[in-house]
Formats: sequence, C-alpha cells, structure tokens
Amino acid sequence: EVQLVESGGGLVKPGGSLRLSCVASGFTFSTYSMNWVRQAPGEGLEWVSSISGGSSYIYYADSVKGRFTISRDNAKNSLFLHMNSLRAEDTAIYYCARVVVTTIFDAFDVWGQGAMVTVSS
Amino acid sequence: DIQMTQSPSSLSASVGDRVTITCRASQNIKTYLNWYQQKPGKAPNLLIYAASSLQSGVPSRFSGSGSGTDFTLTISGLQSEDFATYYCQESSNTPMFTFGPGTKVDIK
Repeated sequence: EVQLVESGGGLVKPGGSLRLSCVASGFTFSTYSMNWVRQAPGEGLEWVSSISGGSSYIYYADSVKGRFTISRDNAKNSLFLHMNSLRAEDTAIYYCARVVVTTIFDAFDVWGQGAMVTVSS
Repeated sequence: DIQMTQSPSSLSASVGDRVTITCRASQNIKTYLNWYQQKPGKAPNLLIYAASSLQSGVPSRFSGSGSGTDFTLTISGLQSEDFATYYCQESSNTPMFTFGPGTKVDIK
C-alpha cells in the first residue's frame, strides 16, 4: 500500500524550532518529487516547499523562505521539514504529499495524514 | 504570481442535486488545473487532474472542464459522501503550486 506517515508535530514557542518527518512506503521514494503543504486552523491549503527526487531542486513559498529547510534521505524513504524562527502564523497542520509529474500535468496524488504544529507562548 | 479564486465559497445542496463549482485563474494556465476533495479531519484527495481527467478510483459523477482561466467541477447526482470542501490547484508554475480558497458543500 502506498503510504505517507508524518511525525514530529507539537507545541513550540514563538522563535523556536521543530523538525517534521514523513516516512514513505509502497513506492520507489527516490523517483518522486515531494512537497509540504500546510493548512491553518479553519483555513485553506498553502503550498510550503518542494524537493526533487535527488534533492537537486528545492523551492519554498515566500512565507517560509529563509526559515524552513526541506530535505530528504532516500536511503530511509524519509522527507523532512526543518522549521526555525517559528511564528504564530505558522500554526497549521502540515501534510507531506507526493507529486506525480507528467508532460501534461503535475498533481499531488498521495498525501500523509498530517502533523499539527502549534506555535504559542 | 498566479492567483486562484473559487465561487461560491460555500453552497447547500441536497442528495441527488447537480452541483457546479467554478475556479478562475488570474492568468492563462492552459489545462494545468487540479481538483481536490477534503473531508473534515482528513487529508485532501485528488479528484481531477489536467482540468478534466478523472483520477483512478474517483466516481464518474465527478467531472471537470475548462481551459485558460476558467474551470468548473461538476458533481452529477450529489451523494452523502460528497459533502466536503473542494479546492482547485494550478500547476502551471511547478514546482510551485497555488490552491484556490476552497468551496464548502454542505447539506441543505
């Protein structure tokens, strides 16, 4: 079964740091680009970051650039999001998602269950 | 940056109704448009990709159309399990993506 499982969420104070993990199973992890998408409480979806299969290409939303770092360990089928200088507005459920890429479309076809991050004093 | 809008932001409908949700892009995105369904407390689920292609396993009552800047998601014969929030997503500027604000479909 194709599956993504996030972990590492929790409560952190403003200015603090946290690392999210996402473990993949059921597919050849290294051949897929992976993404983080977040959803603030009661709000819509916001793309956060993307990393290519071999980690050569990395992109961030402006809202997290310079504070968050995406990485992956293909030997361990794992995706990470290192979050520094956290702010109250970073409070959200963070989903990891697999991207299926073709010549005519890119789409998030597999999602994890989400990890809740709360930034509060 | 590409901006995505959806209308309506919410709607009430009955089982069996035909429901149409509209998504508009701020610039031409050809058919680089996906639709997702999200139920409360769950992760989003891909319904439609490339504007009109049905994702494997998704019921045929869901359909998508459009190109350029204007797109629609149609549910033909709403079922109880379809009450959820629907998001469009543009993928013309990958690997960066923009989601629409969502349309909540609830029971009349």
